[in-house]
Amino acid sequence: DSGVTQTPKHLITATGQRVTLRCSPRSGDLSVYWYQQSLDQGLQFLIQYYNGEERAKGNILERFSAQQFPDLHSELNLSSLELGDSALYFCASSEGQSFNYGYTFGSGTRLTVV
Amino acid sequence: AQKVTQAQTEISVVEKEDVTLDCVYETRDTTYYLFWYKQPPSGELVFLIRRNSFDEQNEISGRYSWNFQKSTSSFNFTITASQVVDSAVYFCALIKTSGTYKYIFGTGTRLKVLA
Repeated sequence: DSGVTQTPKHLITATGQRVTLRCSPRSGDLSVYWYQQSLDQGLQFLIQYYNGEERAKGNILERFSAQQFPDLHSELNLSSLELGDSALYFCASSEGQSFNYGYTFGSGTRLTVV
Repeated sequence: AQKVTQAQTEISVVEKEDVTLDCVYETRDTTYYLFWYKQPPSGELVFLIRRNSFDEQNEISGRYSWNFQKSTSSFNFTITASQVVDSAVYFCALIKTSGTYKYIFGTGTRLKVLA
């Protein structure tokens, strides 16, 4: 157990629907990062939050949004889902907001859009 | 533009052999970070190492070592005396934080270590 918890582990939904993925960071970590891994796009960084504030933005689509709550857990909301959104979504956490810290990854949420 | 190239799609070695995974990057920025991640067959991602552009010191961690050379824009990863448990996909990544933020992954190298 890495200490980073992602739920659910698997999710199957239909096109056009909306889903929420959840990530609880390791205890003491203030940053949460979201990544997408798909066959077409490979690994992509989506977004980082630090202590509730958006810190860095990557290739996140406008249909996607994220937030980090006061208890530091984060949610990634994916809406108007398309077949191409099928992917493994990882979150990671780290202690600080810069890139001078190690990262701990969750086991991922596998999203299948049918 | 920023780019990360892992030209080796797949490498197979026999256990106890040494193996080097190549990572070549492109960036015009002077400040950036380079990372290596491991993704074993179980699917989880594991952070291995981070290096910033001002620190060209090579690093060794057990059987793992990393060679960062700015002159050739490379950040290569060597596994000494490979083991079956090293079988995984290894990703190199570049993060540029000045100006427009960019976080780019290579396409990964699949390493198979045969017993």
